[in-house]
Amino acid sequence: AQTVTQSQPEMSVQEAETVTLSCTYDTSESDYYLFWYKQPPSRQMILVIRQEAYKQQNATENRFSVNFQKAAKSFSLKISDSQLGDAAMYFCAYTLGSFNAGNNRKLIWGLGTSLAVNP
Amino acid sequence: EPEVTQTPSHQVTQMGQEVILRCVPISNHLYFYWYRQILGQKVEFLVSFYNNEISEKSEIFDDQFSVERPDGSNFTLKIRSTKLEDSAMYFCASRGGNSPLHFGNGTRLTVT
Repeated sequence: AQTVTQSQPEMSVQEAETVTLSCTYDTSESDYYLFWYKQPPSRQMILVIRQEAYKQQNATENRFSVNFQKAAKSFSLKISDSQLGDAAMYFCAYTLGSFNAGNNRKLIWGLGTSLAVNP
Repeated sequence: EPEVTQTPSHQVTQMGQEVILRCVPISNHLYFYWYRQILGQKVEFLVSFYNNEISEKSEIFDDQFSVERPDGSNFTLKIRSTKLEDSAMYFCASRGGNSPLHFGNGTRLTVT
């Protein structure tokens, strides 16, 4: 079964501290992309970071980084120097196969983690 | 930066009525999607559309749902006879050949 599990429904972090959101997924395929999306109260869906499964190096985007453990099927998101604007729902998702033209695979989503940032 | 735009931002309708949710994907994108998110639940895939036809649809996307790209710019989702359980946030998304999905801001559909 293709599933994504986010075991932390809610998390909180102090402003300027670091927080890690966990995500595990289940697939028998070897070629896929992983994503973290942020959904603030405005309900927009904003891409935070993505990781190609064939890459061993963990993706980073400014204060956001991932810890991708392919064998363990784990894809956690680390937010450093947390800011009040980071408060949002965070969704982990993946899509199977190459993300090139000709592939029309859908995203498979976790239930999300609600992150609160305390001043 | 180009954006996916969705209208309306909020739609209220009575059970049994037809609704059309509108989306304008990014102009050079080729793949189009509808997702929905029932309040407090996960995001669910509804349908994907490529080359003027549905390429994949979920179990949710039954005969009450249809999609259209009528004029080369708009991408619409129609629900023929809405049910209470259709109340959700509906997201349109598009992508080019090798880009990640770009999402619109969503349409909140409330069925009363």
